[in-house]
Amino acid sequence: EVQLLESGGGLVQPGGSLRLSCAPSGFTFSNYAMSWVRQAPGKGLEWVSAISGSGGNTYYADSVKGRFAISRDNSKNTLYLQMNSLRAEDTAVYYCAKDAGRGGGSCFDYWGQGTLVTVSS
Amino acid sequence: DIVMTQSPDSLAVSLGERATINCKSSQSVLSNSNKKNCLGWYQQKPGQPPKLLIYWASARESGVPDRFSGSESGTDFTLTISSLQAEDVAIYYCQQYLSIPWTFGQGTRVEIK
Repeated sequence: EVQLLESGGGLVQPGGSLRLSCAPSGFTFSNYAMSWVRQAPGKGLEWVSAISGSGGNTYYADSVKGRFAISRDNSKNTLYLQMNSLRAEDTAVYYCAKDAGRGGGSCFDYWGQGTLVTVSS
Repeated sequence: DIVMTQSPDSLAVSLGERATINCKSSQSVLSNSNKKNCLGWYQQKPGQPPKLLIYWASARESGVPDRFSGSESGTDFTLTISSLQAEDVAIYYCQQYLSIPWTFGQGTRVEIK
């Protein structure tokens, strides 16, 4: 059974940093691209960042480019999102999502339960 | 960026009746490599993560009831629930995955009338 378990969320002041982690299980992690998708309270879904299976290619939404960094450690089966210079508008539930791996771009066949990041003074 | 626009924002349907949700992309999401539309549909229930229902615009994900179907016409896409069940109350999102940034529609809330 595929599972994705996020951790690392919490309350942080504007300008602060936070690192999210995602621990997948039930599939060969290194074979799949992974993404972070966020959802502000009461709002819709926003793709944030993606990384290829090898980790050699990374992609970002303009809203986080230069502030967030996605990475993965395939030997530890873990996905990360380093978030710096956090702003109030980054407040959201952050989901780890697995690429369905059917070719082309990413639709997401498995999602974690999410971790809440709150940016507030 | 490709903008995805859903309509309506919300709809109320009687149990057993048909629910239809529309999604329009601001430009083609047709893949040159396999000639399929890179369009997915997700269902999100309160307090839960999204669940993939449909990919390639009309392919049903494994385990998804066959009352859910997707159709396509150019840049217009439709998710149909043929006979609404109580457990289908949720917000539904479309997503294009042709080009980065992957983008979602704003969501359509489905309720019971």
